Amino acid sequence: GNSVTQMEGPVTLSEEAFLTINCTYTATGYPSLFWYVQYPGEGLQLLLKATKADDKGSNKGFEATYRKETTSFHLEKGSVQVSDSAVYFCALSDQWDKIIFGKGTRLHILP
Amino acid sequence: DSGVTQTPKHLITATGQRVTLRCSPRSGDLSVYWYQQSLDQGLQFLIQYYNGEERAKGNILERFSAQQFPDLHSELNLSSLELGDSALYFCASSVGAVGNQPQHFGDGTRLSIL
Repeated sequence: GNSVTQMEGPVTLSEEAFLTINCTYTATGYPSLFWYVQYPGEGLQLLLKATKADDKGSNKGFEATYRKETTSFHLEKGSVQVSDSAVYFCALSDQWDKIIFGKGTRLHILP
Repeated sequence: DSGVTQTPKHLITATGQRVTLRCSPRSGDLSVYWYQQSLDQGLQFLIQYYNGEERAKGNILERFSAQQFPDLHSELNLSSLELGDSALYFCASSVGAVGNQPQHFGDGTRLSIL
């Protein structure tokens, strides 16, 4: 079946470091791909999305490129801030329009 | 502020009981989704309603049921509660029915079963 696999956390980085959170997926057809972020005590917020191969989603300095050949949608940011500390979820919408989330990756940024 | 309102924020009850969680979607959104978030299972999709009709079903137990009312608010009913039902329950809404539209999440209801 369709699935999303994210790198295990927690990920701990120093401020201004480069961030990569890996995400790979298994799906039939051409799913839409998303990154959501959850700050402490809050619900999830959409961070970025891509709907077709080679699309790049970007927001707040974060980027992810839809790579169909490697079935990946890795999240990157060039210089992280303490305020980026949160849990990040990779997700896809499948051919039945269901959203499938990865297990989430907790990110800690140290000042 | 996502515009999605969930009540109550916290709920503490005992095994065997029944509770109702409520969600008001963002203005203009016709779809409502329910999710369960627990430490061991992650974020699990439960069910989706679109304009009052059930549209998609995920890992929802038979003890759980939901509905969407004509004013588009939704309720999730959990009955015969077990300790393992303790979790954060999120509601999300989107404009349409298709899955490639962004979902807007509420802040969740934390359910604790004693």
